[in-house]
Amino acid sequence: NAGVMQNPRHLVRRRGQEARLRCSPMKGHSHVYWYRQLPEEGLKFMVYLQKENIIDESGMPKERFSAEFPKEGPSILRIQQVVRGDSAAYFCASSRQGLNEKLFFGSGTQLSVL
Amino acid sequence: DQQVKQNSPSLSVQEGRISILNCDYTNSMFDYFLWYKKYPAEGPTFLISISSIKDKNEDGRFTVFLNKSAKHLSLHIVPSQPGDSAVYFCAASAISGSRLTFGEGTQLTVNP
Repeated sequence: NAGVMQNPRHLVRRRGQEARLRCSPMKGHSHVYWYRQLPEEGLKFMVYLQKENIIDESGMPKERFSAEFPKEGPSILRIQQVVRGDSAAYFCASSRQGLNEKLFFGSGTQLSVL
Repeated sequence: DQQVKQNSPSLSVQEGRISILNCDYTNSMFDYFLWYKKYPAEGPTFLISISSIKDKNEDGRFTVFLNKSAKHLSLHIVPSQPGDSAVYFCAASAISGSRLTFGEGTQLTVNP
């Protein structure tokens, strides 16, 4: 049973480009969460999705960021027109039932914006 | 507004001794608490959890204590092993919430 898979592991973008981060949850998990870790900080919640639905996006920046979790395929976190401040480790996590349950995390995507 | 705080950025202990990692929270709605362990270049790994109806949960060398009145929890590792060296994150969630709120993490170093 494979764990949460994220790709790419490392992503380098120039300012103004788009970044697409992919996350395949564990088998049988329909709840996906995205977290961001800035240097020297803890993980900050971004968005919670459950197959085709955004449940909670209160942690997402208002502009340039979007997330989806289609019926088929991985969850995608999309960052348009990246800026240097977007450089961070982005972690995806999944769970079977959601609320008040331990999350299983992927290894993260390290985004570097030049 | 840091609702979950880990005031010690780092902790160093000798192999075989006890490691105590502390965590404080401010949100009274939190009722489920977890500890995650993270190695460099990897995602956090779940370690142990506790719900607010308990004050202690034990799993092998790891014990989590919860003091609701003080809004404080701690993770005890005994005996500590060099392989325990990692960053430990405390996290909390509310029954009505949909996400975990993490502390800043504590880097534990266990010296052989």
